[in-house]
Amino acid sequence: AQTVTQSQPEMSVQEAETVTLSCTYDTSESNYYLFWYKQPPSRQMILVIRQEAYKQQNATENRFSVNFQKAAKSFSLKISDSQLGDTAMYFCAFIPSYNTDKLIFGTGTRLQVFP
Amino acid sequence: GAVVSQHPSRVICKSGTSVKIECRSLDFQATTMFWYRQFPKQSLMLMATSNEGSKATYEQGVEKDKFLINHASLTLSTLTVTSAHPEDSSFYICSARRQGAGEQYFGPGTRLTVT
Repeated sequence: AQTVTQSQPEMSVQEAETVTLSCTYDTSESNYYLFWYKQPPSRQMILVIRQEAYKQQNATENRFSVNFQKAAKSFSLKISDSQLGDTAMYFCAFIPSYNTDKLIFGTGTRLQVFP
Repeated sequence: GAVVSQHPSRVICKSGTSVKIECRSLDFQATTMFWYRQFPKQSLMLMATSNEGSKATYEQGVEKDKFLINHASLTLSTLTVTSAHPEDSSFYICSARRQGAGEQYFGPGTRLTVT
């Protein structure tokens, strides 16, 4: 089955510190897309970062970076220099092959950034 | 770029009436649009996938006669909740996938309350 697992329901971090959110997934395909989405209290889903599975280099977007371990089927998100505005629900998601449009979501990790 | 709007943002309707929710991609053409439902503190549940000019594909367990989806153009998809009941009260989110891209861009959501 093609699934996404986020094992941390809740995380907290102090402002300016670094936090890592974990995500594992399951697929038998070799080409697929991986994403992290953020859902703040406004409930607007915002794309944080994306990674194509054929790329070995880890994606980076400013303070956000991923650790993509294809063999381990792991896709963790690191947030550096955490800010209060990073407080949100974070969803790991993937499109498990190039032959489908469906985005499969994990259950989410609620991140609280404390001052 | 890649902005998706959704209208209305909130709607309250009486049991037995129908409600239409619009989803528009404002600055790109979306070959595929998706409709999700999100229950409180839960992940997104895919309801259906719609492609411009063709019938929507519904996920298992989603009543297609109750949730009517029309994707009339490359920038507009509509979800009509017919004969709404209180159990249909939820947060509905649409997304759009740009042609040639993997990621989906999400609308801000619509909170439906059926009284």
